[in-house]
Amino acid sequence: EVQLLESGGGLVQSGGSVRLSCAASGFIFSHYAMSWVRQAPGKGLEWVSGISSSGGTTYYVDSLKGRFTVSRDNAKNTLYLQMHSLRVEDTAVYYCAKDLSNSAPLWYMDVWGKGTTVIVSS
Amino acid sequence: SLVLTQPPSVSVAPGETATITCATNNIGGKSVHWYQQRPGQAPVVVMYYSRDRPSGIPERFSGSNSGNTATLTISSVEAGDEADYYCLVWESDTDNYVFGTGTKVTV
Repeated sequence: EVQLLESGGGLVQSGGSVRLSCAASGFIFSHYAMSWVRQAPGKGLEWVSGISSSGGTTYYVDSLKGRFTVSRDNAKNTLYLQMHSLRVEDTAVYYCAKDLSNSAPLWYMDVWGKGTTVIVSS
Repeated sequence: SLVLTQPPSVSVAPGETATITCATNNIGGKSVHWYQQRPGQAPVVVMYYSRDRPSGIPERFSGSNSGNTATLTISSVEAGDEADYYCLVWESDTDNYVFGTGTKVTV
């Protein structure tokens, strides 16, 4: 069974940092691009970042470039999102998602994890 | 940047048809995917490449895409279809995914 399990969320102070992880199983992780998507409380879905299957190419929404860094370890079947200079508005559930493609253009996200919650306090 | 506009809400009686739109200039030239998100759950894809249904998604779900509007149609709506629905597009100019604004379907 294809599974994605996010971890690393929690309460962090404004200006702080946190690293999210996403452990993948049930598929050949190194064959697929991956993404992070977030959802602020009561709000819609926002794509945050993506990474090609090899990890050689990364993609970011413009508003987050410079503060967030996506990476992956294909030997450990794990996706990461390093977040710095966190702001109250970064409070959200963060989902990792598997793509059908291996690099841009990405196709669509077919499997999602259950998400991990990041709360940024002022 | 690309903005995908959806109606905030759609209300439909059981057994009727729900129509959810996703609009932007020339969306007909793009591949559109649709996600269903029930409260407290992760999104699930219900339509990909505008009109293809993943296995396990009922035939009551159908999609179309032309001109400036993509549409997800749910026929014979059931109580279990009550959820938020989002369209998704890959924008090649920026190498970004863009989600629609989301539509809450109330049955």
